[in-house]
Parts: sequence; structure tokens; C-alpha cells
Amino acid sequence: AQSVTQLGSHVSVSEGALVLLRCNYSSSVPPYLFWYVQYPNQGLQLLLKYTTGATLVKGINGFEAEFKKSETSFHLTKPSAHMSDAAEYFCAVTDNTNAGKSTFGDGTTLTVKP
Amino acid sequence: DAGVIQSPRHEVTEMGQEVTLRCKPISGHNSLFWYRQTMMRGLELLIYFNNNVPIDDSGMPEDRFSAKMPNASFSTLKIQPSEPRDSAVYFCASSLGDRVNYGYTFGSGTRLTVV
Repeated sequence: AQSVTQLGSHVSVSEGALVLLRCNYSSSVPPYLFWYVQYPNQGLQLLLKYTTGATLVKGINGFEAEFKKSETSFHLTKPSAHMSDAAEYFCAVTDNTNAGKSTFGDGTTLTVKP
Repeated sequence: DAGVIQSPRHEVTEMGQEVTLRCKPISGHNSLFWYRQTMMRGLELLIYFNNNVPIDDSGMPEDRFSAKMPNASFSTLKIQPSEPRDSAVYFCASSLGDRVNYGYTFGSGTRLTVV
């Protein structure tokens, strides 16, 4: 069975500050990990993904995430927050069973203060 | 590609009425997922299909909910009869089920309000 825990349902940062959204996963097999972003009144969009290979993954809008197997983590970061980054962020894990079904975390709402 | 297309974008209906939500996945994607999102319960997986076959419907809340996928390019989620507690945003997503590292493409959702 696989699961995802996102630490902190709400994160608030100032514009220009570092963004750190935390995600820990549990999977009995090598995981595939994803971050999605949801802007108000929109569907979720794929931000970045880890499959195999390089553990530091770069995504859209300057976000990146690092897969750390020893810590079972896949935290999302961005060096400098922009007002347009305000959204809800979801971490998800998939394994090689269940026709690609992903398990999603509960989401973290990011607020960016001017 | 136009992405995953959901219709209608908004639906307001009276309690007891039948509601049908529609989804057109991305051409070539063979897995399709229906989700419900509310403030209280977050994102919930209702049912998913692979190659048009329902694989897991354990998330369907009650017998009032049903879903079909008659072909690779169309799926419906039906609620009959609808109740106020069904008010939510319903998302459809599609993926390549045999490529587990692919990720999902979500539609824009249908906002359902049952009064």
C-alpha cells in the first residue's frame, strides 16, 4: 500500500522568500512521485515528477523537488516566492500496480504575502 | 491537444433530480479517473477505469452514484437522485495507465450545486 503525508495544510511566506512544502511518502515498491498545483477555480496541473535517475527534479515556474529515499521525502522548493505562486499544492505517489493509480496527499495551501 | 474536456462547467439542480457529468479524456490515454473535491473532505477518488473497464469503484459513496465508460473517448458520472451533500467540484483525469511515471492530466472540473 502507498500513502502520502503533506506536513502543514497551510504555509505562508513573504514575496521573495524561500518556499518549502513538505511531502513524505510510504510505498512498498520504488515509487514514482509527483507534485501538482491547483490555482483557484481550476483543475490540478502537473508541476514536476520523479521517476528514476537524477534525484533533483526541476519543474515549471522555478519549482524543484528532491527525492530522498533514506528520508522517504519529496519536498518541493522554490528559492523566491512570487505572488502568482499562491495556490494549493498536492503531492502524489504511484507504484507500478493499479493501472497507474496515484495516491494524493491532503494538499498544502500556499499564501504569498506582499 | 485540447486536454481533458469536462461538461458542464457548472450545474445547479434541485434535490432529487438526476445529474450527469461528462468527460472526454485525452486521445490515447487509457486510464480515466473521477474525483470529487470539497473543502471538508479534500480530493476523493470515486472510481477509475483502465481500457474502459472499471477497476476500482470503492470510492463511490452510494448506490446513487454510477459511472460508465462506453468507449475510449467518453465517460459519464451520474447521480440519481441528487442530494445537497453531493455539492462539490467533480474532476475527471486521464493518464497512460501502462506508463506509471506519466502523471495525470486533469480537466477543469464541474462545479455541482444541489439545492
